[in-house]
Amino acid sequence: GAVVSQHPSRVICKSGTSVKIECRSLDFQATTMFWYRQFPKQSLMLMATSNEGSKATYEQGVEKDKFLINHASLTLSTLTVTSAHPEDSSFYICSASRPGSNQPQHFGDGTRLSIL
Amino acid sequence: GQQVMQIPQYQHVQEGEDFTTYCNSSTTLSNIQWYKQRPGGHPVFLIQLVKSGEVKKQKRLTFQFGEAKKNSSLHITATQTTDVGTYFCAARNYGQNFVFGPGTRLSVLP
Repeated sequence: GAVVSQHPSRVICKSGTSVKIECRSLDFQATTMFWYRQFPKQSLMLMATSNEGSKATYEQGVEKDKFLINHASLTLSTLTVTSAHPEDSSFYICSASRPGSNQPQHFGDGTRLSIL
Repeated sequence: GQQVMQIPQYQHVQEGEDFTTYCNSSTTLSNIQWYKQRPGGHPVFLIQLVKSGEVKKQKRLTFQFGEAKKNSSLHITATQTTDVGTYFCAARNYGQNFVFGPGTRLSVLP
């Protein structure tokens, strides 16, 4: 089955640090990947849609300059949380799906980000 | 924008009892997907429904898409402790991204 790898799984760093999270589709090419944020015991909040070779599409209220997304290849998308602050602490999770409008999303294991 | 609601928010059942979660959308949907997230894990795709009135079964799980394509349900027969987790529906309008519901957290008491 499809596998999506997300790295790192856990990050603890000081306020002001920038953190990069990688999302890779291991056995299929993903023209589109999604980045979500999930607060404890809550649902998945879509932050942005990452499109290979073009700019990401951000959801309303998500700062583009704060959450930089790069989708340089068909198997890799990165999310960089720039100058992270304690309020950015959360569980970030990516997903990828095969080309086609009705494909299921395959999720990575998520990254738990803690900003001190 | 599109709103997706799920009820109940929490459900505690005794092992062996049945469980149902309902997903409702404010708009007509093109399709709906269901995911399960175990505690500490990531969401895992369960099934997709596309046709009006569609019913699909996976062992003890029964998924249904409403006739008006605005709601869906997931029913688990004779729950087991392995069914513990949060069940999310993800609803999609035509040409738009999927929107996840808030989820139903299921606890199964042995």
